Amino acid sequence: EPEVTQTPSHQVTQMGQEVILRCVPISNHLYFYWYRQILGQKVEFLVSFYNNEISEKSEIFDDQFSVERPDGSNFTLKIRSTKLEDSAMYFCASSPQGAVAQYFGPGTRLLVL
Amino acid sequence: EDQVTQSPEALRLQEGESSSLNCSYTVSGLRGLFWYRQDPGKGPEFLFTLYSAGEEKEKERLKATLTKKESFLHITAPKPEDSATYLCAARGGSEKLVFGKGTKLTVNP
Repeated sequence: EPEVTQTPSHQVTQMGQEVILRCVPISNHLYFYWYRQILGQKVEFLVSFYNNEISEKSEIFDDQFSVERPDGSNFTLKIRSTKLEDSAMYFCASSPQGAVAQYFGPGTRLLVL
Repeated sequence: EDQVTQSPEALRLQEGESSSLNCSYTVSGLRGLFWYRQDPGKGPEFLFTLYSAGEEKEKERLKATLTKKESFLHITAPKPEDSATYLCAARGGSEKLVFGKGTKLTVNP
């Protein structure tokens, strides 16, 4: 069964450093998403991406964040200058079309020191 | 603002003891109500999508139902391997899923 994959599984970085989180969505899916989950809190939406552009973003997704689909298979989330409060589990998700289920990857645990 | 509230926060059952988890939602123009299972340190695993009041979906020991204000996840004769956090999420007029905090289910043998 096709799955969303994410790398790395864990990332430790120093405050102010840039990080890139990588995702390979399910191959025939057209919609891509990033969510995050701070320890003990709800899963929160960050951004959605369709047809090579951002279709929606939350207030969390400020100028420090960017997304890119550099080729036909990868989908990346970049945080330019990490803050302590960016420490969280980051999940990539994809769906074949708009109003159906989103399928999540295993996540990248980001720790900012 | 769209909101999803789940109850209880935690539930302990004995193996075979059936129960229900609740998800109440306030979403403008619901376009889908989703149930996910999340194991510790893992990503949410899709279980069900419900689109309209009265709809029901079943998978093994799980059944999800939907009304105009709530959804229920019924667990019949649970087993220890059903232990997980169950997440409810709603989609309104936008792309995003709005999640509840989840119900942590523990099934003791």
